[in-house]
Amino acid sequence: DAKTTQPPSMDCAEGRAANLPCNHSTISGNEYVYWYRQIHSQGPQYIIHGLKNNETNEMASLIITEDRKSSTLILPHATLRDTAVYYCIVRGKGSGNTPLVFGKGTRLSVIA
Amino acid sequence: DAGITQSPRHKVTETGTPVTLRCHQTENHRYMYWYRQDPGHGLRLIHYSYGVKDTDKGEVSDGYSVSRSKTEDFLLTLESATSSQTSVYFCAILQGGTGNTIYFGEGSWLTVV
Repeated sequence: DAKTTQPPSMDCAEGRAANLPCNHSTISGNEYVYWYRQIHSQGPQYIIHGLKNNETNEMASLIITEDRKSSTLILPHATLRDTAVYYCIVRGKGSGNTPLVFGKGTRLSVIA
Repeated sequence: DAGITQSPRHKVTETGTPVTLRCHQTENHRYMYWYRQDPGHGLRLIHYSYGVKDTDKGEVSDGYSVSRSKTEDFLLTLESATSSQTSVYFCAILQGGTGNTIYFGEGSWLTVV
């Protein structure tokens, strides 16, 4: 079972920041938070991951609370092409024997 | 895209026929995975491989077999396809480094009639 809780859907105006929350209250010390998204009919796309520090890359920023029980994915300037289902996943780095377990994610709709 | 190629991308087959899906990678990754995605169920792991001839079952392995005779190829076989195996199949690889990130292919759409 997925170890995360996400809202089923969100809307965001084009050009505004999209803030997608995720709760992972049972996360353990060696588990990372990963974010993926899936645009209709395409394979899941890796966005970003983090352990305890905030992370930023060319796609997004990841803010993890100090207690690590929740996080927020930030798309700074959402475009129509960011409309997708976003998945927050908790997974130990350990080895490849720990596959990704997908929940239902958040369906983000970016509105013009 | 982490150098992943899936084939065929689309296939229609009849119930009871064997079907093999191929996942090919060009970057010598050790771990490879097969997932299926269905409405209402999300992505579910079928099988994975951790090296040549080393494979293990995932959450929904019944009715599927896999083989990995070369590092670059991971084959998923439906010995006798059923309508319940109509789905989108995604291959994935594990790229080592910080976080051991998993990357996905573009998917293979299989319809069993």
